[in-house]
Formats: sequence, structure tokens, C-alpha cells
Amino acid sequence: QVQLQESGPGLVKPSGTLSLTCAVSGVSISSSNWWAWVRQPPGKGLEWIGEIFQTGSTNYNPSLKSRVTISLDKSKNQFSLTLRSVTAADTAFYYCAQAPDTRAWRLDYWGQGTLVTVSS
Amino acid sequence: DIQMTQSPSSLSASVGDRVTITCRASQSISTYLNWYQQKPGQAPKLLIYEASSLQSGVPSRFSGSGSGTDFTLTISSLQPEDFATYYCQQSYYTLPITFGQGTRLEIE
Repeated sequence: QVQLQESGPGLVKPSGTLSLTCAVSGVSISSSNWWAWVRQPPGKGLEWIGEIFQTGSTNYNPSLKSRVTISLDKSKNQFSLTLRSVTAADTAFYYCAQAPDTRAWRLDYWGQGTLVTVSS
Repeated sequence: DIQMTQSPSSLSASVGDRVTITCRASQSISTYLNWYQQKPGQAPKLLIYEASSLQSGVPSRFSGSGSGTDFTLTISSLQPEDFATYYCQQSYYTLPITFGQGTRLEIE
């Protein structure tokens, strides 16, 4: 079955760069799915960060677009998130997820999430 | 951005109760509305997509309805495992994808 697993540093310094990877198993990252990142500050709601398709096409949340890059690594069947110039406001649980490439877009498989804390 | 507003923000109910959660969009989104359930320490789980389609494996006591700007999630008979936070999410044509603020369902 489809499984996603986030990995990366749990602590990032202010003004630094947050880098996370999502390893995908059970489905090829070259399949007709969008690969998304969503974050959730502790005790708060969900925020869509952005997504990437197997062609490399991306969509980003305008509120984060200037600081975000999402990329694919087809050889490793994984995709990545880079968030630059982080502040304490970027402290959150970060989830990777899959969305089928249909008009009825929805996140049907999720990773377990990883907490990233921005602190010196 | 399309704003999604859920009501209530929290509610208390008992096992066996029928519960309805409402989600309102700031503009018409047709039926491009999904519902998720999130339990503490877990990732969200897709329950309903396209306003009323039940995700595979989700119990039939969950149902969704609505179109345009007003949507509802109904749990016909609450089970102990249903106490969680519920989020709506729109996927209309304009980015960004946005979520409601969540509805926390607690045991009465």
C-alpha cells in the first residue's frame, strides 16, 4: 500500500533553511499524482504549502512562494521541501501527502508528520 | 484566497449521538470540498471528498452534503473512536488550497 515518510532535521536556526524529504513507497512518484506538503503549528490548524507533479510542475501557497521550493528525486522515489529564511513562525509539524491528479483534488495518503522547531 | 469557516469550533456529544458540522466557503466552490479527521498525534485522514463521496474504508456513519458555499459533515451515530478534530478543505480552481480552522469534537 502507499506509504509516505518524512525525514529531516528537527531543529533549524532562525534565518536558516528548513529541508525535509518525503520517501514514497507503494507507488511510483512518476505516477499521476500530485505530491504535497502541509504544515500545522502545534495546537493550530492546517496550512497547504505547495505541491509538485511528476513533470516537475509546481504550485505554491502565495504566502510562502518567495521562500519555498519543492523538488522531485525520481531515482529515489522521493520529493523534498526547502523553506528559506525561517523564523519561529515556521515552527510546525510538516506533513507530506499524495493527491490524485483528478479534478476532485484531495489528500488521500499522508505521512506521519515531523516536528520542525525554529530556535537558536 | 477562499476562506473556509467551520462551525461550531468545538462541540461536546455522547456516544450514539447524531452530529453535524458545518463548513462555509467565502465564495462558491461547487462541490470541491473535502473533509478530514485528525486524532491527537496523528496525521489527518481523508473521510469525504467532492462534498459527498465516501473515501474507501471510511465507515458509512460518515456522510457529507452541500454545494456552492455551504457544506455539512454528519456522523449518524457517534462511536468512541470518532472523538477528534475535523477539518474541511476546498480545492476550487484558484490557489491556494485552504482549510477550515477545525472543529473539535469532545466527549460530553
